Amino acid sequence: KAGVTQTPRYLIKTRGQQVTLSCSPISGHRSVSWYQQTPGQGLQFLFEYFSETQRNKGNFPGRFSGRQFSNSRSEMNVSTLELGDSALYLCASSFTYREQFFGPGTRLTVL
Amino acid sequence: QQQVKQSPQSLIVQKGGISIINCAYENTAFDYFPWYQQFPGKGPALLIAIRPDVSEKKEGRFTISFNKSAKQFSLHIMDSQPGDSATYFCAARQGDYKLSFGAGTTVTVRA
Repeated sequence: KAGVTQTPRYLIKTRGQQVTLSCSPISGHRSVSWYQQTPGQGLQFLFEYFSETQRNKGNFPGRFSGRQFSNSRSEMNVSTLELGDSALYLCASSFTYREQFFGPGTRLTVL
Repeated sequence: QQQVKQSPQSLIVQKGGISIINCAYENTAFDYFPWYQQFPGKGPALLIAIRPDVSEKKEGRFTISFNKSAKQFSLHIMDSQPGDSATYFCAARQGDYKLSFGAGTTVTVRA
């Protein structure tokens, strides 16, 4: 089975721009979660989607949003980018709510 | 605030030695405690997980010890190898709610 794929792997944007990141879960997985990883804050939960519905949400501003499509693929969007949004964005998919399988991440750099 | 406290931040161990990483939590509703291993440039990978009704779980050289009354759990890496050099994260989850991660421990195994 193919693992979780994330595109693009690297992205450079400037302040004020917006960005969309994509995640394709493992086939058959209906839950997709997004995390932000930074050296200072560690792994922080952004949101989780299950069957196209947002099931859980972390403590991030409204500039961070996401969605899930009927084929379980998910996208997250960050609008009005700030320097502090520079991070590794990780997507994880799961079949049950316990075992989460992570993708390689998208490294976002905001200049 | 961090719901799972992890220590130490980093450790160095000789090849063949034992690495021990500790985590503590406050939320007694947590019912799933996984450990993840992350190599540079990769997403975290599930290593081993335990439920609170089990005091110990072993998979190969990796063992989780769980102390429900103390609200602590730890990862032991026996016979540490250079290939074990990575960052390890403990985590906890309540039902189908989000995973809360510890801050991570960077393990370096010296040959």
